[in-house]
Amino acid sequence: KAGVTQTPRYLIKTRGQQVTLSCSPISGHRSVSWYQQTPGQGLQFLFEYFSETQRNKGNFPGRFSGRQFSNSRSEMNVSTLELGDSALYLCASSLGVGLGGETQYFGPGTRLLVL
Amino acid sequence: TQLLEQSPQFLSIQEGENLTVYCNSSSVFSSLQWYRQEPGEGPVLLVTVVTGGEVKKLKRLTFQFGDARKDSSLHITAAQPGDTGLYLCAGDSWGKLQFGAGTQVVVTP
Repeated sequence: KAGVTQTPRYLIKTRGQQVTLSCSPISGHRSVSWYQQTPGQGLQFLFEYFSETQRNKGNFPGRFSGRQFSNSRSEMNVSTLELGDSALYLCASSLGVGLGGETQYFGPGTRLLVL
Repeated sequence: TQLLEQSPQFLSIQEGENLTVYCNSSSVFSSLQWYRQEPGEGPVLLVTVVTGGEVKKLKRLTFQFGDARKDSSLHITAAQPGDTGLYLCAGDSWGKLQFGAGTQVVVTP
């Protein structure tokens, strides 16, 4: 089975621009979660999508948004980029049955640099 | 503010030595997971512990979940250079994973 794939792997943007990141989950997985990883804050939960609906949300401003398509692929969008948005953005997929401790499989991430 | 506090932040040891990484919280979690992340890759799940007091062994790695399900430890016996990486603990909080800041482990030959 192919793992979680994320595109692009690297991205350079300037302040004020917007960016869209893509995530393809493992086949059969219906839940996709997004995380931001920075040296200062570590890994922080952004949001989770299941069956095209946002099921959970972290404490990030409205500039961060996402969506999920019927094939479970997901995109996240960051508008009006700030320097502090520079980070590794990780996507994780799971079956999504809602059981505690369900295994999440992470993709390699998209490294975003905002200049 | 990290709900999960990991210590130490950095650990550098020689091959063959033992090491322990700690993960502490004031919150109770339904389960706790340990991941290892290598440069340029996403975290990879090592183990999930669910029951208070649970001990799980994975070859040279031993994981322990505290009785009150608030803390956990990871012990590596006879560390090898391949154990080098960022070790992350994560608590399951109503379907959201809350991660610790991580412990960077470097094992030199």
